[in-house]
Amino acid sequence: DSGVTQTPKHLITATGQRVTLRCSPRSGDLSVYWYQQSLDQGLQFLIQYYNGEERAKGNILERFSAQQFPDLHSELNLSSLELGDSALYFCASSTVSGRPQFFGPGTRLTVL
Amino acid sequence: QQPVQSPQAVILREGEDAVINCSSSKALYSVHWYRQKHGEAPVFLMILLKGGEQKGHEKISASFNEKKQQSSLYLTASQLSYSGTYFCGTEISTGNNRKLIWGLGTSLAVNP
Repeated sequence: DSGVTQTPKHLITATGQRVTLRCSPRSGDLSVYWYQQSLDQGLQFLIQYYNGEERAKGNILERFSAQQFPDLHSELNLSSLELGDSALYFCASSTVSGRPQFFGPGTRLTVL
Repeated sequence: QQPVQSPQAVILREGEDAVINCSSSKALYSVHWYRQKHGEAPVFLMILLKGGEQKGHEKISASFNEKKQQSSLYLTASQLSYSGTYFCGTEISTGNNRKLIWGLGTSLAVNP
């Protein structure tokens, strides 16, 4: 158990819909990262937050947005969903940038 | 920017050794190694900082050649539990921030 929690574990929705994925980092970690992993693919970095502020952006689509709240939990919002958005979405946390990242169990999103 | 991992895949018999390489075209602050088992979250193995250090964890060790911007992961006397996909993450500078860029992974299968 990494100490990072993600909800929900599974999500099945239809094209065009909007969903919110939630992540709670390990106690004491200020950085939160979001990743997308499609079937048998590598990790695609989406976005990083540090203590409530956006720190780095990766290959995040305009239809996706995220935020980190004062209690340090983070949410990833995915809108106008397409079939190609079906993937595992991981959240990871670390103390600061450059330190080891600890991953949550992931949310499996299926868009039908 | 993405580091290149080699080989893409390797199949071993239990007890054999393997080396996984990670090469970057950018100057690196550090290299991270993670292992992901099928359907699970990536798990942190080790981090190597500038200075050419070598770290070890049981029979898994790694080296970091800062001048060549390369890191190698050494798995000796492999066990069945070593099976999975190994990712390297290379920490690079992005202006006034640092970012971890992930390789595409090396799939390792250890057979009895």
